[in-house]
Amino acid sequence: KAGVTQTPRYLIKTRGQQVTLSCSPISGHRSVSWYQQTPGQGLQFLFEYFSETQRNKGNFPGRFSGRQFSNSRSEMNVSTLELGDSALYLCASSLDPGGLYGYTFGSGTRLTVV
Amino acid sequence: QQQVKQSPQSLIVQKGGISIINCAYENTAFDYFPWYQQFPGKGPALLIAIRPDVSEKKEGRFTISFNKSAKQFSLHIMDSQPGDSATYFCAASKDGNQFYFGTGTSLTVIP
Repeated sequence: KAGVTQTPRYLIKTRGQQVTLSCSPISGHRSVSWYQQTPGQGLQFLFEYFSETQRNKGNFPGRFSGRQFSNSRSEMNVSTLELGDSALYLCASSLDPGGLYGYTFGSGTRLTVV
Repeated sequence: QQQVKQSPQSLIVQKGGISIINCAYENTAFDYFPWYQQFPGKGPALLIAIRPDVSEKKEGRFTISFNKSAKQFSLHIMDSQPGDSATYFCAASKDGNQFYFGTGTSLTVIP
């Protein structure tokens, strides 16, 4: 059974550019959540999508946005990149909304903004 | 404001010893407390979880102890092995909404 697939694994962007990250959840999982992981802050919740609808949103600026497609695949977009956006972006999928039966995380996309 | 505070930041334990990681939370409405284990280059993986209606949950060598009145919970790893060397995150959530994670504990088990 394939796990959560995130692409690309690594990305280097210039300040001011925009970036789109992709996440394919485990087959049958309809909930996809995104987290930002940094050494100082740990994992910070960005947003959750369930059945193509944003269910919850964390405390991030509007430059961070996402969407979910009918096949449950999700994309996250960051516009006008800042140096502080450099982080590991993790996607997690779950059967149920909210991941109460456990999230399955992908290996992440390492974004470096220069 | 950090909703879940985790300590210590790093921990070194001898093989066969007990590893203990502690977390404290602020929101008494939290109703689900999982622990995740993360190896380098991988995403976190669910290790064990507890709800506030029980004070302890054990799965193999891993035990969660939960103290509702103190708003604290901890992970105990018995008979720690070098393969347990990883970063551990505690987390909390309410009603299946967003998870609040601790800042992580880097565990090193020395052979």
